[in-house]
Amino acid sequence: KAGVTQTPRYLIKTRGQQVTLSCSPISGHRSVSWYQQTPGQGLQFLFEYFSETQRNKGNFPGRFSGRQFSNSRSEMNVSTLELGDSALYLCASSTGTGRIHSEAFFGQGTRLTVV
Amino acid sequence: AQSVTQLDSHVSVSEGTPVLLRCNYSSSYSPSLFWYVQHPNKGLQLLLKYTSAATLVKGINGFEAEFKKSETSFHLTKPSAHMSDAAEYFCVPFDNQGGKLIFGQGTELSVKP
Repeated sequence: KAGVTQTPRYLIKTRGQQVTLSCSPISGHRSVSWYQQTPGQGLQFLFEYFSETQRNKGNFPGRFSGRQFSNSRSEMNVSTLELGDSALYLCASSTGTGRIHSEAFFGQGTRLTVV
Repeated sequence: AQSVTQLDSHVSVSEGTPVLLRCNYSSSYSPSLFWYVQHPNKGLQLLLKYTSAATLVKGINGFEAEFKKSETSFHLTKPSAHMSDAAEYFCVPFDNQGGKLIFGQGTELSVKP
């Protein structure tokens, strides 16, 4: 069973540009969550999509957005990049259903560097 | 609201000795709790999970954790450390209200030969 796939693995962008990151979840998983990891702030929740709808959202500015397609693949977009957006962006996949939260499986991440 | 405290930012052990990584959480109800491990420049790998079925949870690679509600703790242990265990470890409760995993600052485990 294939794991969570994130592309690209590495990105270098210039301030002011925009970027799109992609995440393909485990087959059959309908929930995709995105997290930002930086040395200073640690791991922070961006948002979660379930069946093409944003179900939960963290405390990030509107420059951070996402979407989910009918095949559960998700994309995350960051517009008007700032130096502080440099981070490892992790995608997590889970079934997203059930009374007790099922475990989340993470991808390898996309390392974004803003220069 | 849930929160998590990993009591040690860094733990160093010798190969072959026991590992103890401490975690305390705050919650008004029994949570879903996970331990994840992250090796350098890699994603997060699930070690084990607690979802109220059993208080002693066994995970991969010889790790286990015990849920103690009275102490609000979920410490991670391993009887004998291996060099490959050197990594960052995260104790992670799931916030049912916010629909998200709550990450603390993690514990870096070093293993000396």
